Amino acid sequence: GENVEQHPSTLSVQEGDSAVIKCTYSDSASNYFPWYKQELGKRPQLIIDIRSNVGEKKDQRIAVTLNKTAKHFSLHITETQPEDSAVYFCAATLQKLTFGTGTRLTIIP
Amino acid sequence: GAVVSQHPSRVICKSGTSVKIECRSLDFQATTMFWYRQFPKKSLMLMATSNEGSKATYEQGVEKDKFLINHASLTLSTLTVTSAHPEDSSFYICSARDSGSGSMETQYFGPGTRLLVL
Repeated sequence: GENVEQHPSTLSVQEGDSAVIKCTYSDSASNYFPWYKQELGKRPQLIIDIRSNVGEKKDQRIAVTLNKTAKHFSLHITETQPEDSAVYFCAATLQKLTFGTGTRLTIIP
Repeated sequence: GAVVSQHPSRVICKSGTSVKIECRSLDFQATTMFWYRQFPKKSLMLMATSNEGSKATYEQGVEKDKFLINHASLTLSTLTVTSAHPEDSSFYICSARDSGSGSMETQYFGPGTRLLVL
């Protein structure tokens, strides 16, 4: 089955700086890669996604890049704000979602 | 749009009892729903895929007789934890795919149910 690795597990960034989270996947057939933000005790919320026929996607301060050849994809958050602090999960899917291990992002005011 | 609800939000029960958790898609139809389990500070682990009108598909290592899933309508799936034990204590989250959406991959998550078995 699919295996998704995510790094780093924790990340602290000064407010206003950029944050980058990286994931790798194992199944080359996976074709959809969403990113979720989860606050403590809350549901995961989809923040951005990318499909395998696209290399990059941007939505305001958030961007995702996908390298199908290398089987890795990354989340980029620019101009970070305190409310960006949360746990972020990447995922890869063919028919079902396989989640990465999560990254706890802390924005330092 | 695309709202998924779960009930109850939290439950405390005695060891040996059964607990039912409901997952509802409020404004869309979902032929497929998913049940996840999440331990503290850990990732979401898929337990099973719930298919409307047919048997659920369980992931390896998940006991189907322990975690009963029923998906009787296009908007409701239930997960029953039978004969619950303290090790079943966890955060259970459901998700649903919008059957009428052009984006079949997107899953919408419920708010989760925190189960504590004493």
